[in-house]
Amino acid sequence: GAGVSQSPSNKVTEKGKDVELRCDPISGHTALYWYRQRLGQGLEFLIYFQGNSAPDKSGLPSDRFSAERTGESVSTLTIQRTQQEDSAVYLCASSLLIGPPPDGYTFGSGTRLTVV
Amino acid sequence: GENVEQHPSTLSVQEGDSAVIKCTYSDSASNYFPWYKQELGKRPQLIIDIRSNVGEKKDQRIAVTLNKTAKHFSLHITETQPEDSAVYFCAALISGNNRLAFGKGNQVVVIP
Repeated sequence: GAGVSQSPSNKVTEKGKDVELRCDPISGHTALYWYRQRLGQGLEFLIYFQGNSAPDKSGLPSDRFSAERTGESVSTLTIQRTQQEDSAVYLCASSLLIGPPPDGYTFGSGTRLTVV
Repeated sequence: GENVEQHPSTLSVQEGDSAVIKCTYSDSASNYFPWYKQELGKRPQLIIDIRSNVGEKKDQRIAVTLNKTAKHFSLHITETQPEDSAVYFCAALISGNNRLAFGKGNQVVVIP
């Protein structure tokens, strides 16, 4: 597609429920990244997929967070048993690896998650 | 790991003046440094980047300079306009990895 697409754009959920956030990267982009941005804060790295390599999960804050990606396409970020501190904008980005260093990321518009 | 810091956290400038934001990084092997602009409620967007084989890059009113010895790079915005008001994030490529380490962001406010 023309850009990185994320859905839903907004999600309100009750504490303790599970949520799934979706990211469609730019076609052909081999790398996909998830970041979390709390209100007025910076970009907190969560997880990174690169082609068929094992993902870099070093940023996931707890075992309630997980993510999957099928090949070089869609990725889903799942948060189980949501807590109020999970409220944030979840940003997805993709990039085309054309040899080191990679091009800059292209970000999606994000999913604004509110846990009530 | 790579540690990226931005200064100042907030910067207010009069319209027409210049704004400068500085970032420092810790990994001397880093070789790619982008800047992102995030307007309120919108996604971060790449505005300019620099690779370690050059010291300066310019695009209209925006320029980035890199000092590899001191491990810092700066964003320069000249003739600031109200639409330059945003949060600006610097980043550095983590060596041996294909992801970026971001600074915490600078809020730039251009006063009309």
